[in-house]
Amino acid sequence: RKEVEQDPGPFNVPEGATVAFNCTYSNSASQSFFWYRQDCRKEPKLLMSVYSSGNEDGRFTAQLNRASQYISLLIRDSKLSDSATYLCVVNRNNNDMRFGAGTRLTVKP
Amino acid sequence: GAVVSQHPSRVICKSGTSVKIECRSLDFQATTMFWYRQFPKQSLMLMATSNEGSKATYEQGVEKDKFLINHASLTLSTLTVTSAHPEDSSFYICSASSGQIYEQYFGPGTRLTVT
Repeated sequence: RKEVEQDPGPFNVPEGATVAFNCTYSNSASQSFFWYRQDCRKEPKLLMSVYSSGNEDGRFTAQLNRASQYISLLIRDSKLSDSATYLCVVNRNNNDMRFGAGTRLTVKP
Repeated sequence: GAVVSQHPSRVICKSGTSVKIECRSLDFQATTMFWYRQFPKQSLMLMATSNEGSKATYEQGVEKDKFLINHASLTLSTLTVTSAHPEDSSFYICSASSGQIYEQYFGPGTRLTVT
């Protein structure tokens, strides 16, 4: 079993749609959690950190459920520019980060 | 802030030759640098972690004699792919951390093609 698992997608949604991605992790000692965005043939870029209390940044909402070892990302009012691969990242300890395989999102006009 | 550069961005080399990739943190001191490899349609796979002034820690299955890592200063780490083979063709990405917070800043990546 992979340490970080994501639904690879692809998710194809129309502009304006709301889309949610899920991620599960196996190491219960994991300390911090992130969502990164990766465009084709580019490096990953930090989208947002994920906290137990949940956090929101504009159209993006991330949530963490430590008991279920589950992380989610919600994107509201999807834009064409949101098309990318979204990587769930789990920090085991001391910057030992493990990446999920990513979920591909395509937003269509 | 938190800019990481990589050089070269793209390299094509012949089988059997060695290739050096540089990773620099431009505006902060990187106590730790990480090297990842990403094959098409796959996730980033950590190859090794290096702390300034000490030997790199390699992930299981990564040959340290083939992938030489040097982290001689707080702003520069290098990865040398020795005796490259076509199966080493991949996207190599470095990241850097100042150690203050659990975030890594990624370089733009180096696309290596071995012919």
